[in-house]
Amino acid sequence: GENVEQHPSTLSVQEGDSAVIKCTYSDSASNYFPWYKQELGKRPQLIIDIRSNVGEKKDQRIAVTLNKTAKHFSLHITETQPEDSAVYFCAAVPGGGNKLTFGTGTQLKVEL
Amino acid sequence: DAGVIQSPRHEVTEMGQEVTLRCKPISGHNSLFWYRQTMMRGLELLIYFNNNVPIDDSGMPEDRFSAKMPNASFSTLKIQPSEPRDSAVYFCASSFGDHQETQYFGPGTRLLVL
Repeated sequence: GENVEQHPSTLSVQEGDSAVIKCTYSDSASNYFPWYKQELGKRPQLIIDIRSNVGEKKDQRIAVTLNKTAKHFSLHITETQPEDSAVYFCAAVPGGGNKLTFGTGTQLKVEL
Repeated sequence: DAGVIQSPRHEVTEMGQEVTLRCKPISGHNSLFWYRQTMMRGLELLIYFNNNVPIDDSGMPEDRFSAKMPNASFSTLKIQPSEPRDSAVYFCASSFGDHQETQYFGPGTRLLVL
């Protein structure tokens, strides 16, 4: 089955700096990669996703890049704000399926 | 739309008791997922249904866990008998379609087994 590794497990940045979270996956058949944000005590919520036919996708301050050859994808948050503090999960879904395999999560803390 | 609805939001029970968690997916969604979240194991998919049919239950930990989806608007996850190691947050999620679609999570049920 699919295995997703995520790094770092914790990340602390100053407000206004950029944050990068990286994930690798094992199943070359995976071709859908969503990112979820989970605030303390809340549900995971989708913030951005990318499919294997594109290499990069942006939505305001967040962007995701995908390298299918290397089987890794990354989340980039620019101009971080305190409300970006949360746990971020990457995930991978194999082609033809709907089964999310999550990474272990990154606790992002944006300090004033 | 009210989103995915789960009940109860919190459950405290004693070891050996039966626990039933409930989920109402978003209207029109035809895929439903049950996840468990713990500090040790992270977010794990337990089972998912498409059009009320179980598609993948490989994540169900053992025979003490069972899940049903009798109709398109309701699903249950049952633990019988419950054990302290079942303590976790259980999330239900739904999506429209069965192929790489966005999954929307419910608020979760926080279960504590004493």
